[in-house]
Amino acid sequence: AQRVTQPEKLLSVFKGAPVELKCNYSYSGSPELFWYVQYSRQRLQLLLRHISRESIKGFTADLNKGETSFHLKKPFAQEEDSAMYYCALRGSTLGRLYFGRGTQLTVWP
Amino acid sequence: EAGVAQSPRYKIIEKRQSVAFWCNPISGHATLYWYQQILGQGPKLLIQFQNNGVVDDSQLPKDRFSAERLKGVDSTLKIQPAKLEDSAVYLCASSLEQPYNEQFFGPGTRLTVL
Repeated sequence: AQRVTQPEKLLSVFKGAPVELKCNYSYSGSPELFWYVQYSRQRLQLLLRHISRESIKGFTADLNKGETSFHLKKPFAQEEDSAMYYCALRGSTLGRLYFGRGTQLTVWP
Repeated sequence: EAGVAQSPRYKIIEKRQSVAFWCNPISGHATLYWYQQILGQGPKLLIQFQNNGVVDDSQLPKDRFSAERLKGVDSTLKIQPAKLEDSAVYLCASSLEQPYNEQFFGPGTRLTVL
């Protein structure tokens, strides 16, 4: 069965510090992994997907199939990064997404 | 371009009452999704439409939930009768027809069942 685990419900860092939001998954095949973000009073939106292998707003995420992880990283956190972050998995061509419970990131000035 | 629209934004009802939510996807998006997000959890897919046909409704509690997408555009999600555990945010999302396209989410409808 597909499962996405985000072990940290809350994460706080100071501005300029590195940040890593953890995501582990279970899936028997080759999944597609995503990070979604929801800023305060805004809609849920796609941040990045592993197949793009791109950096968005300074964030990167590498799919590690051996450790079944897809951690989100940023070397220098900014206050505007404060938001709820969701890791999600898609395992078929139907488009169905499986979300983790989310990590609330707070970046202090 | 206009995003996914949902109404109402908030709804408070008593248990055993009925409620309906409406979603208007982005123009041209063939695929429409309804998610349920209970407080403290991530969104969970309830039903997925491709045009006006159901692709996946395996997680929809069919004894009380129903959804339709007439003419392949707007969609309504109904709960009848509501239970306390249905209190959640109901999110609508849409995407282009190809399976790997990005899903765009609406603002959600927050339902409270008393």
